[in-house]
Amino acid sequence: DTAVSQTPKYLVTQMGNDKSIKCEQNLGHDTMYWYKQDSKKFLKIMFSYNNKELIINETVPNRFSPKSPDKAHLNLHINSLELGDSAVYFCASSLWTATYGYTFGSGTRLTVV
Amino acid sequence: QQQVKQSPQSLIVQKGGISIINCAYENTAFDYFPWYQQFPGKGPALLIAIRPDVSEKKEGRFTISFNKSAKQFSLHIMDSQPGDSATYFCAASKETSGSRLTFGEGTQLTVNP
Repeated sequence: DTAVSQTPKYLVTQMGNDKSIKCEQNLGHDTMYWYKQDSKKFLKIMFSYNNKELIINETVPNRFSPKSPDKAHLNLHINSLELGDSAVYFCASSLWTATYGYTFGSGTRLTVV
Repeated sequence: QQQVKQSPQSLIVQKGGISIINCAYENTAFDYFPWYQQFPGKGPALLIAIRPDVSEKKEGRFTISFNKSAKQFSLHIMDSQPGDSATYFCAASKETSGSRLTFGEGTQLTVNP
């Protein structure tokens, strides 16, 4: 029933590990996003895909690699995790433009120790 | 470069009072201005949005006031309730394919009973 679902909800891992976060939407939207929310709750876009095509790629370390197997899924893989990667990562989706409103997932809280 | 500035950072209001959160933007190409509400452990959810062709939009107890010449917009919550306690984000976007939302820094609202 959930519109935008992310897994896992919590992720605790050691520095240097590689981890993935998965996102799926059942709204029929064709654009999906990854946002990072830091400890001060600031939301910053990382990536955006439209119909499996990467359209926004902000200044993010190349240890972060998104992958969209189809327009309903957008995964985020992070290599060589660092302490500074600890944050809440939100997946969101929208119709072809953000002006139709985003639907966010519940977030994945990543803690790197 | 912070394109959308939000204030105050935190706000405490008594039940029944009016909560006012302000935002200012820099990019005159922005043409969509939403407000999002985020409860702890949840993703942001669209609350109300306005386009620059109108100066005010009201939905229930929530009103957006928009001043195009000053490049400012604000959220007013009338008759604030404890259940309104959340973090509020203003945002701005352009209505173009693949557009992204640029968020303000967020306001932590606490409504005391």
